[in-house]
Amino acid sequence: GQNIDQPTEMTATEGAIVQINCTYQTSGFNGLFWYQQHAGEAPTFLSYNVLDGLEEKGRFSSFLSRSKGYSYLLLKELQMKDSASYLCAVRGFQKLVFGTGTRLLVSP
Amino acid sequence: DVKVTQSSRYLVKRTGEKVFLECVQDMDHENMFWYRQDPGLGLRLIYFSYDVKMKEKGDIPEGYSVSREKKERFSLILESASTNQTSMYLCASSFHFLRREEGPTDTQYFGPGTRLTVL
Repeated sequence: GQNIDQPTEMTATEGAIVQINCTYQTSGFNGLFWYQQHAGEAPTFLSYNVLDGLEEKGRFSSFLSRSKGYSYLLLKELQMKDSASYLCAVRGFQKLVFGTGTRLLVSP
Repeated sequence: DVKVTQSSRYLVKRTGEKVFLECVQDMDHENMFWYRQDPGLGLRLIYFSYDVKMKEKGDIPEGYSVSREKKERFSLILESASTNQTSMYLCASSFHFLRREEGPTDTQYFGPGTRLTVL
């Protein structure tokens, strides 16, 4: 079976740091993706991890532990425009399996 | 810049109608995908295609069919629309998967979505 869990909703303040967790149990693992999706828009690619460790991309970082089936997306220096849904997706044998997404609300 | 376009942003159809959703990509991607997105359920894969004239069932293919006659175009067909097919439909495309140190080649790029309402 395939199961990906993320918190449904999180809130944070402008300028703060927030960590969005994702745990997964999938048959086959060939990498984990994070996507950002603003309301009413298409998901856009943020980051990818296939090996354990931290990948940093500006204000965004993503971490993976394959032995624990765990990843997180870290957003630093939050801005109002970071209010969006964040989707965790695991690449299995042929396709991506998406979590239900975490809606992040950034307040002033 | 990758561009994936979908034929309509909003569509309203009646129960029993045949519905065509079109997706076109301009990046010469081999892979194309159709998802639906519903609150609380996330993105679910309906069908995908790795090449012209080939198709594979995703997780929820029932009630849908697809067509890929040209590399750049992937169509989703609802043979007889039903109210439980009211949803946001997203198309995506990517290159074939090759694992490289600098990152994945098969990152999926999404179109803007079609919000379909079936009355």
